[in-house]
Amino acid sequence: AQSVTQPDIHITVSEGASLELRCNYSYGATPYLFWYVQSPGQGLQLLLKYFSGDTLVQGIKGFEAEFKRSQSSFNLRKPSVHWSDAAEYFCAVGAQGGGSNYKLTFGKGTLLTVNP
Amino acid sequence: EPEVTQTPSHQVTQMGQEVILRCVPISNHLYFYWYRQILGQKVEFLVSFYNNEISEKSEIFDDQFSVERPDGSNFTLKIRSTKLEDSAMYFCASRPNEYQETQYFGPGTRLLVL
Repeated sequence: AQSVTQPDIHITVSEGASLELRCNYSYGATPYLFWYVQSPGQGLQLLLKYFSGDTLVQGIKGFEAEFKRSQSSFNLRKPSVHWSDAAEYFCAVGAQGGGSNYKLTFGKGTLLTVNP
Repeated sequence: EPEVTQTPSHQVTQMGQEVILRCVPISNHLYFYWYRQILGQKVEFLVSFYNNEISEKSEIFDDQFSVERPDGSNFTLKIRSTKLEDSAMYFCASRPNEYQETQYFGPGTRLLVL
């Protein structure tokens, strides 16, 4: 069964500082990997995704993530954090193969606080 | 840009009452999902729906839950007799087709069972 671990429950950074949010997954084959962001009172917005090819993927709002098969990781990064990035971030894995049984498994999320 | 919409945004109900949560998936999407997030916990898969039938359901999705696509645009989740532990944020998601793996989520309905 697939699973996702986000080791950091809460991270605080200063505005302008760099950010890395960790995500480790467990899945028997090459997974589909996603990062979603949830701002207070909002739904889940897709930041970026990895399916295949280049292991460094670019997303919206200046975020990027790197897929490392050897470490079963898909960490999210941003070089300079803005106050509006304060939100909860969820890593998710989907089973390859698509089809009607495809679903996402989420991590517990990392809450990001940005200090001025 | 098309979005998944959900109504209501908030619902308060008494234990034992029936609730229906409504979702309008993105037009032309074929796969539909419900997830829930209990406060402080991870987002959990409940059920997937395709071709007017359930494709897969989790252990959480017991006989108290049902889903329906009554009119080709709405996708509903019904809880027949709510329990305190059903209090959660419920997310609807849709996916275009079997070749595209991205799921698009709605803003959620926060359900509080008293």
